[in-house]
Amino acid sequence: GAVVSQHPSWVICKSGTSVKIECRSLDFQATTMFWYRQFPKQSLMLMATSNEGSKATYEQGVEKDKFLINHASLTLSTLTVTSAHPEDSSFYICSAAWGGPDQPQHFGDGTRLSIL
Amino acid sequence: QKEVEQNSGPLSVPEGAIASLNCTYSDRGSQSFFWYRQYSGKSPELIMFIYSNGDKEDGRFTAQLNKASQYVSLLIRDSQPSDSATYLCAVRSGGGADGLTFGKGTHLIIQP
Repeated sequence: GAVVSQHPSWVICKSGTSVKIECRSLDFQATTMFWYRQFPKQSLMLMATSNEGSKATYEQGVEKDKFLINHASLTLSTLTVTSAHPEDSSFYICSAAWGGPDQPQHFGDGTRLSIL
Repeated sequence: QKEVEQNSGPLSVPEGAIASLNCTYSDRGSQSFFWYRQYSGKSPELIMFIYSNGDKEDGRFTAQLNKASQYVSLLIRDSQPSDSATYLCAVRSGGGADGLTFGKGTHLIIQP
């Protein structure tokens, strides 16, 4: 079964809306979770690394004030896309390493975000 | 800048044959290597991972790593139509606190 749960799976909203996406690790504690973004016909691009109890580490070119990440517990990380615009429409996917930090990352089912 | 290169395909293989997928990476310090399968509209699913030079087998899948050549491959034996998907090669430079760098993926088609 899935070890990482992501919600919601699909969001359609108007431009200017803020959208929150949740990522939960099931039955294990994840001190580190990761957020990726995938545009159509493109590969996954790492946006940020979410660290429990501390600030997220963002990749170059990712606006930290636009993509707010909170990792308040060992099983939950959230990504909030603030004031979303059509160019933010994408497939957002979180991941976590189950079984320890050196283990492979397992991905959530992803959230397809469409901004009208 | 870290780069992971894959032939985008499509790679067409007859059912029952061996599918061979290749990947090269630019960061010589990379430590861990992963193959994910992604069906259209879905999130990636882990197929194999390899950390050491050589071969690693798991069922119909074999991952091969050559760090000197900065080359990773995935072999799929007895290919099935359900194996048709995009296969993503991913590389991690450090330990588990590091994110993955993905290639663009190879689109594999298994012909019945």
